[in-house]
Amino acid sequence: NAGVTQTPKFRVLKTGQSMTLLCAQDMNHEYMYWYRQDPGMGLRLIHYSVGEGTTAKGEVPDGYNVSRLKKQNFLLGLESAAPSQTSVYFCASSRLRGARSINEQFFGPGTRLTVL
Amino acid sequence: TQLLEQSPQFLSIQEGENLTVYCNSSSVFSSLQWYRQEPGEGPVLLVTVVTGGEVKKLKRLTFQFGDARKDSSLHITAAQPGDTGLYLCAGIPDSNYQLIWGAGTKLIIKP
Repeated sequence: NAGVTQTPKFRVLKTGQSMTLLCAQDMNHEYMYWYRQDPGMGLRLIHYSVGEGTTAKGEVPDGYNVSRLKKQNFLLGLESAAPSQTSVYFCASSRLRGARSINEQFFGPGTRLTVL
Repeated sequence: TQLLEQSPQFLSIQEGENLTVYCNSSSVFSSLQWYRQEPGEGPVLLVTVVTGGEVKKLKRLTFQFGDARKDSSLHITAAQPGDTGLYLCAGIPDSNYQLIWGAGTKLIIKP
């Protein structure tokens, strides 16, 4: 049981390049999330998914796209990377939750992305 | 804008000392969680509190949810170097269903 895995762990891009970050979970969780973490700003939600084939925007979605073609995978794409997207990106998953309930989020180890 | 403000932002103390960190808001939360994040890793859940006034203990860590469900505290007794990390609080406000996160308290325990 690997939990949540992310690839790659590190990446350096030039401005304008594109890339895809892959997140996989083996816990059969319905919900999946992509966050970015910057110093002093905590975790900010980029996009999330409440099930296979569905995605929704979070707090900071601009410049990113996502897809969830399979329940266990959640992909984050950067079409044209910018220096402002330099950050550490975390994927997380959780069980289906009720409107007011809160479930544990399980996080991957993160991807450290630098855009030059 | 609903915010979770954590204080202090940074705390460095000697092994064996006690400490308290805080997570405050002007909004009421239906539930609140505390996570710990070690360098190079993702956050890991420590506790979830859902009832105003609730106190939960996890070994040397004591978590309290305020009576009005607007704030929470984490108290560590006899801190150890293994407690070093970034402590994050997260909660769901009563007014909407979106989970929001505090910016975290970076804790360093010196041997």
